[in-house]
Amino acid sequence: SQQGEEDPQALSIQEGENATMNCSYKTSINNLQWYRQNSGRGLVHLILIRSNEREKHSGRLRVTLDTSKKSSSLLITASRAADTASYFCATDATSWGKLQFGAGTQVVVTP
Amino acid sequence: GAVVSQHPSRVICKSGTSVKIECRSLDFQATTMFWYRQFPKQSLMLMATSNEGSKATYEQGVEKDKFLINHASLTLSTLTVTSAHPEDSSFYICSARDSLTGRNTEAFFGQGTRLTVV
Repeated sequence: SQQGEEDPQALSIQEGENATMNCSYKTSINNLQWYRQNSGRGLVHLILIRSNEREKHSGRLRVTLDTSKKSSSLLITASRAADTASYFCATDATSWGKLQFGAGTQVVVTP
Repeated sequence: GAVVSQHPSRVICKSGTSVKIECRSLDFQATTMFWYRQFPKQSLMLMATSNEGSKATYEQGVEKDKFLINHASLTLSTLTVTSAHPEDSSFYICSARDSLTGRNTEAFFGQGTRLTVV
């Protein structure tokens, strides 16, 4: 079963704006990962944040993790039309890499 | 970077036939691979964990006789949808993680297979 809940389900913004999406989960984790999926395609890994980390950056992406609240957020700054995609959080609570995915946030960035 | 190749990308089959989907790790070894199913506009649902040299571990509600998994080598896992029916039509995605790296590493995903059963 899915562990994570994400909000919002959908987000529509204009180029240049920031996009923030949130993920909540239920159990203790080793790490939390964010992925991106373009329509009908496979998933692309964005960022992995370990349970002992609180914040991580990669280019225009910023991820936070609050293990006390069992929640994470993904911020995309200065969004571009090419950022249009679905974004999923996934938690890893095992030693063999089994991921449980959130429901996903569909982001549309209009020029 | 690490690549997972999934084949075929699209397949259309008749009801009652079987379809095999391959998932290969191209430049790393994976003792464990994962198979997911995704319905339109929904998230990925884990179907099973494929273990090299041993039986797959299926998630609750997934029929192991319906979705046969074979992981015969460290770089190849296959999913066979047996006696396919229209309700099996879906997007199937595999993933793998480099077995030689630690637990806190990313998973790599195949491109997915769009199965349509007519």
